[in-house]
Amino acid sequence: NAGVTQTPKFQVLKTGQSMTLQCAQDMNHEYMSWYRQDPGMGLRLIHYSVGAGITDQGEVPNGYNVSRSTTEDFPLRLLSAAPSQTSVYFCASSYGPDGDTEAFFGQGTRLTVV
Amino acid sequence: SQQGEEDPQALSIQEGENATMNCSYKTSINNLQWYRQNSGRGLVHLILIRSNEREKHSGRLRVTLDTSKKSSSLLITASRAADTASYFCATDGYTGTASKLTFGTGTRLQVTL
Repeated sequence: NAGVTQTPKFQVLKTGQSMTLQCAQDMNHEYMSWYRQDPGMGLRLIHYSVGAGITDQGEVPNGYNVSRSTTEDFPLRLLSAAPSQTSVYFCASSYGPDGDTEAFFGQGTRLTVV
Repeated sequence: SQQGEEDPQALSIQEGENATMNCSYKTSINNLQWYRQNSGRGLVHLILIRSNEREKHSGRLRVTLDTSKKSSSLLITASRAADTASYFCATDGYTGTASKLTFGTGTRLQVTL
């Protein structure tokens, strides 16, 4: 039972490069989210999805794109990486809205932008 | 913006002692959750308490909620070295299309032998 799988675990990018962080879940959850975690701060919501084909912005969406073509996958795209995007990124999924139900988190992607 | 604030920011205790962490939040909630994060790992859900509940137990965990004071506490009894982790409270908030979590800044718990 894999749960939520994120790839890669570590990534170093140069400023201006683009990349996609992958997230997949095998629990048939409708709700999926992307968070970033910076030192000394809690997790902040970037984008989320309430089902295939439906996405919405969170608290810190600038510089990131998402799409949800399948229930299982929710990739996060960095269009033009900036040092301010250096962070640890977590993907989460839940059966219902994660404000109302338990959320399951991936192990995180540690991204450094130089 | 942070909704919840945990107190203390860091806590160091010996194995076998109890650990208490507090969370205060600013706006009315329907639910409050507690999560644990081991170093370098993802978050793991511990417990969810609803606004009409005052106390909830799960194994060695006891969570209380006081909506009049907008605060919650997490008590870990008979702590173990394996409880060493960061603990986050998270409150629900409506973003427009879904109820989403807003996390606090966390309490770092160190349990020593």
